[in-house]
Amino acid sequence: QSALTQPRSVSGSPGQSVTISCTGTSSDVGGYNYVSWYQQHPGKAPKLMIYDVTKRPSGVPDRFSGSKSGNTASLTISGLQAEDEADYYCCSYAGSYTFDVFGTGTKVTVL
Amino acid sequence: QITLKESGPTLVKTTQTLTLTCTFSGFSLSTNGVGVGWIRQPPGKALEWLALIYWDDDKRYSPSLKSRLTITKDTSTNQVVLTMTNMDPVDTATYFCGHRKYDFWAYWGQGTLVTVSS
Repeated sequence: QSALTQPRSVSGSPGQSVTISCTGTSSDVGGYNYVSWYQQHPGKAPKLMIYDVTKRPSGVPDRFSGSKSGNTASLTISGLQAEDEADYYCCSYAGSYTFDVFGTGTKVTVL
Repeated sequence: QITLKESGPTLVKTTQTLTLTCTFSGFSLSTNGVGVGWIRQPPGKALEWLALIYWDDDKRYSPSLKSRLTITKDTSTNQVVLTMTNMDPVDTATYFCGHRKYDFWAYWGQGTLVTVSS
């Protein structure tokens, strides 16, 4: 099972919006509404930001939003802030055999 | 408050078996729908899911590593153990344990770096 494809990096100025794509196949992203997104600061554990494509856990700012179209899921950060600079990973359920597949990761830089 | 913490050796030799323990608190692995699993991350690289065990002892493994992995749980001590056989330098990574709720990893441990050397 191949990793989901994400852009290596995206950047934006404070206050701007950035969108990270996560491309898979009909066997993972396109086949289930079970895409989640994780934020990881250097040397830290990942933190859940979005689950079930669009849902935000309690405590996650509403600047973070998720969506999906076909085999591609997206994470949008609106009103970019300095503390949003981190690596972001998508993850999709891929069926009872393959189970979970993570993305290749995207580094978000706040200019 | 849910917490998880990984423990185990920081250095293993090539061909040895790695045993990692995840000790958790704030939830029960007897609760319907709950799972605990392992995810690793080689230095500077992406996350990779390894294994998961559910409250009902259902176990799932990454197809590419299935032959080398075993995951078990001890509900009485709130621990989950992962063993990985035949370790190789490419297995050098930070190993995280995580609390899985339905279809996402809701909570993560701090991770433990395991280096494989000959």
